[in-house]
Amino acid sequence: DSGVTQTPKHLITATGQRVTLRCSPRSGDLSVYWYQQSLDQGLQFLIQYYNGEERAKGNILERFSAQQFPDLHSELNLSSLELGDSALYFCASSVGLTLDEQFFGPGTRLTVL
Amino acid sequence: AQSVTQLGSHVSVSEGALVLLRCNYSSSVPPYLFWYVQYPNQGLQLLLKYTTGATLVKGINGFEAEFKKSETSFHLTKPSAHMSDAAEYFCAVSKNTGNQFYFGTGTSLTVIP
Repeated sequence: DSGVTQTPKHLITATGQRVTLRCSPRSGDLSVYWYQQSLDQGLQFLIQYYNGEERAKGNILERFSAQQFPDLHSELNLSSLELGDSALYFCASSVGLTLDEQFFGPGTRLTVL
Repeated sequence: AQSVTQLGSHVSVSEGALVLLRCNYSSSVPPYLFWYVQYPNQGLQLLLKYTTGATLVKGINGFEAEFKKSETSFHLTKPSAHMSDAAEYFCAVSKNTGNQFYFGTGTSLTVIP
């Protein structure tokens, strides 16, 4: 158990819908990262937050957004969902901004029908 | 720009045999390098990392990797494969500032009894 929790574990929805994925980092970790893992794209970094502020952006679509709240949990919002958004979404956390180990949550499996 | 190439998306070894998973990177500056393992239906777990210092890095579960700057490689090895080593392995690179990771496409390791 990494100490990172993600909810829900599974999510099934329809095209055009909007969903919110939630992540709680390990106690004491200030950085949260979101990744998308799919069969065709592999593991893609989406976005990073540190202590409530966005710090790095990867291959995140404009339909996707994220935020980190004062209690340091984070939410990833996916809107206007398409079939291709079906993937495993991972959250990871680390202590700070330097090369600290990232601890990954178990992931949320999103299926868009 | 940085990228990571993992040669061989699938590797099979016999139990007790040497494990060699290949990773090459391209980076404009000396990077930090990581190997992560993903067991079925789980998130990623750090095996080992190279930041500075000794180029031979020892990790968990008997794995080690050697940073070879001249070859831009960071291959993962284990002298004797165990059935429990069957998993997906990801090589990742990061700049020496910030924490944005670039993952390789992964290598699926099968261990044959």
